[in-house]
Amino acid sequence: DAGVIQSPRHEVTEMGQEVTLRCKPISGHDYLFWYRQTMMRGLELLIYFNNNVPIDDSGMPEDRFSAKMPNASFSTLKIQPSEPRDSAVYFCASSPDREAFFGQGTRLTVV
Amino acid sequence: AQKITQTQPGMFVQEKEAVTLDCTYDTSDPSYGLFWYKQPSSGEMIFLIYQGSYDQQNATEGRYSLNFQKARKSANLVISASQLGDSAMYFCAMREHNQGGKLIFGQGTELSVKP
Repeated sequence: DAGVIQSPRHEVTEMGQEVTLRCKPISGHDYLFWYRQTMMRGLELLIYFNNNVPIDDSGMPEDRFSAKMPNASFSTLKIQPSEPRDSAVYFCASSPDREAFFGQGTRLTVV
Repeated sequence: AQKITQTQPGMFVQEKEAVTLDCTYDTSDPSYGLFWYKQPSSGEMIFLIYQGSYDQQNATEGRYSLNFQKARKSANLVISASQLGDSAMYFCAMREHNQGGKLIFGQGTELSVKP
C-alpha cells in the first residue's frame, strides 16, 4: 500500500476563496482523522470518521469548515471562505484500531 | 475529557546518552492506548511505539522504550544511545477505546541531540 495520500501538498490561495483538501486513506482502515498543525495551537484534531461516518466534529473551528467521507477510500476537508488564520499544515491520518498512519500533510497558505 | 500533557517544550541531550521525554495523561476510560510519534524537520509524522492500558510490560521498540506508570498516569518515552538523527519533535498521544476511538496529541517536545 502506498500509505495515506494527501493532495495537494501545498496550496496558496487568496482570502475568501474556497479550499478543498483531499485524502485517500490506507485500504482497510476503519478510522480517518483530520488534524491541523500550527506553532501556536499544536496538533489539533478537527474531525474523525469511523466506517465513513463522522463521529466527532467538535474540533472543527467554525461553520466555514466542513468534511465529508463519501466512501472508504476518499475524504475531503473544505474551507469556505478561507481566511489568513486558516494557514496551517493539515494532516489526514487513517487507522485500524490502534496506531494511526499519517499522510505527508497539506501546507495551506491563505493570503 | 481527554487530556495529554507534555511539560518539556525543549530538551537537549548529548549524542550517545539516554534521554527521557515526559508525558502525562488523564482519562476515565479503563481501556486506552498510548502512543509516541516523531516529527523530523521534514514534517512527516512517524509512529514510534504503542502501549495498551492493559499491557503488563513496558513496550520497547529498538532504542525506544515506554516507561508506563499507570497509577501515576504517565507514559514517558526513553530513547537510549541518542543519535543526531533523533533530533525532532516528539508527540505523545492517547486513544480511548470505549469513547469512539478518538486520538489526541500533546503539545510536543523538541529534542536536540548535540554531537
